[in-house]
Amino acid sequence: KNEVEQSPQNLTAQEGEFITINCSYSVGISALHWLQQHPGGGIVSLFMLSSGKKKHGRLIATINIQEKHSSLHITASHPRDSAVYICAVRPKGQGNLIFGKGTKLSVKP
Amino acid sequence: DTAVSQTPKYLVTQMGNDKSIKCEQNLGHDTMYWYKQDSKKFLKIMFSYNNKELIINETVPNRFSPKSPDKAHLNLHINSLELGDSAVYFCASSLSIGQPQHFGDGTRLSIL
Repeated sequence: KNEVEQSPQNLTAQEGEFITINCSYSVGISALHWLQQHPGGGIVSLFMLSSGKKKHGRLIATINIQEKHSSLHITASHPRDSAVYICAVRPKGQGNLIFGKGTKLSVKP
Repeated sequence: DTAVSQTPKYLVTQMGNDKSIKCEQNLGHDTMYWYKQDSKKFLKIMFSYNNKELIINETVPNRFSPKSPDKAHLNLHINSLELGDSAVYFCASSLSIGQPQHFGDGTRLSIL
């Protein structure tokens, strides 16, 4: 079992829909990251959070440390949001990131 | 201005060859990383350097040798390339350990 599990693995949505991607992890962490990998391959860091909630534009990330769970929400989804969204955690006392396998999102016009 | 730049973008070579991938960041970051993304798109840390010092060295064959001549550069040299080395290799940097990471565009390595 991977230390970082994401669901769903694949997600297809219609433009305008509200999207939720989930991430569960099994280790104690210092921080959790959400990354976006575009179809062209480039990776962008969206959020780093260790508690609560962060918002950037139409993207919202939440984390529940007690439940070892995080969600990434996209409001009013758009085809340009189509990408792979990757959850990664930094275990306590370590500098490395452990990655989930990603959620492939396709938003249809 | 590209913040984290990797060269080359594509590398096609024969099994058994030795090759290098270069990475440079102009962000003034102290920490740099190398990741491998396999054919199933799974990312895994390989190495991390902080101020030119190796701080993370995951279970990677010793055919892979990182070199950091200064804190703006972290190059990856691979000896005796094998078929299983085919992957996309990403370089990243962060202000310090644990801070958000900025990724390069990746180097797609294909072994024939």
